[in-house]
Amino acid sequence: NAGVTQTPKFQVLKTGQSMTLQCAQDMNHNSMYWYRQDPGMGLRLIYYSASEGTTDKGEVPNGYNVSRLNKREFSLRLESAAPSQTSVYFCASSEMRTRDRATGELFFGEGSRLTVL
Amino acid sequence: GDSVTQMEGPVTLSEEAFLTINCTYTATGYPSLFWYVQYPGEGLQLLLKATKADDKGSNKGFEATYRKETTSFHLEKGSVQVSDSAVYFCALNDYKLSFGAGTTVTVRA
Repeated sequence: NAGVTQTPKFQVLKTGQSMTLQCAQDMNHNSMYWYRQDPGMGLRLIYYSASEGTTDKGEVPNGYNVSRLNKREFSLRLESAAPSQTSVYFCASSEMRTRDRATGELFFGEGSRLTVL
Repeated sequence: GDSVTQMEGPVTLSEEAFLTINCTYTATGYPSLFWYVQYPGEGLQLLLKATKADDKGSNKGFEATYRKETTSFHLEKGSVQVSDSAVYFCALNDYKLSFGAGTTVTVRA
């Protein structure tokens, strides 16, 4: 079972370059999420998609864009990378819809380590 | 807004020692509470959860009880193993998931 698959696993960019992180899930989940993980700060939500066709900002959306391409895929784009975006990025999916009482769990990918020089 | 505060690490223990990681929360509603674990080089995975007050979640020898009166969800394990070395995250979910900063636990043989 693949679960949640993220690509690439590692990427080095120069300041100002653009790139897209890809995420796909094979569990038929409605909701998908992008988080970033930084030392001492836990996970912070960048964007989420409660269902196909919808996206919403999380805590730290500035400098990012997302696309919910279909039910399986949710991509994160950095249009002009900055050193402050050096981080480990995690995609996750779940059955729960964000407006419902939450009882479900999130399933995470293995992460994408991005370095911006 | 909703938030979670968990004990800062790192925590270093010997095998068979008792582990407690404190977690308290602030929420306006009635959230579900979770503990996630991240092993080296991997993504997070759910360790245990509790969806209402006085519920006890348990898994792999770990336990946590949802205490509404103290707004806490402390994680405990009676006898840790080297394989329990990981980063542990407390999280709450009212309408979206909010994570604590994570506690790094290292268990030495």
